[in-house]
Amino acid sequence: GENVEQHPSTLSVQEGDSAVIKCTYSDSASNYFPWYKQELGKRPQLIIDIRSNVGEKKDQRIAVTLNKTAKHFSLHITETQPEDSAVYFCAASTGTGGFKTIFGAGTRLFVKA
Amino acid sequence: SQTIHQWPATLVQPVGSPLSLECTVEGTSNPNLYWYRQAAGRGLQLLFYSVGIGQISSEVPQNLSASRPQDRQFILSSKKLLLSDSGFYLCAWSGAAGAQPQHFGDGTRLSIL
Repeated sequence: GENVEQHPSTLSVQEGDSAVIKCTYSDSASNYFPWYKQELGKRPQLIIDIRSNVGEKKDQRIAVTLNKTAKHFSLHITETQPEDSAVYFCAASTGTGGFKTIFGAGTRLFVKA
Repeated sequence: SQTIHQWPATLVQPVGSPLSLECTVEGTSNPNLYWYRQAAGRGLQLLFYSVGIGQISSEVPQNLSASRPQDRQFILSSKKLLLSDSGFYLCAWSGAAGAQPQHFGDGTRLSIL
């Protein structure tokens, strides 16, 4: 079945630096890749997503890249701020109604002021 | 706009007691519905998903069950709780057509004593 691996499990950066989180997936039929941010004790919230017909998508300080050939996708956060500190989850979906969405194990990001 | 409500927010139950967590979605029809469990500091474990009334798929064998008595209502139940059932329970919904993100409720923090 589908498997999503996410690295690193923990990431610590200085405020203002960039943070990169990488995920790989195994099912070549996956065509939708959302990213979620979960603050402590809160629900995961969608922050950006990308579909397989696009190689890169950007929303202010957040960008996601997708390499379908290599089956990996990455989240890039530039100019990090303390409020970016959270757990980030990547996910891959084969696109049928979302129920075949497989989540990565999460990356705990610490942004030091 | 669509909203998802989940309650209660916090629950403390003794071992062996029953459980009922409820989730409702507003502003959409025929959503896919999901129950996840998240242990402290861990990732998202899919427990059940439903693509329609009365249609429940179980991902992990356990002493929990789910029901969908109405289109936008999803209930997680147990007849006898175990210590290992402690965790953060999240309900989510997604659209039924094509690759779509899942939207999470605020979660229920369940502690078993």
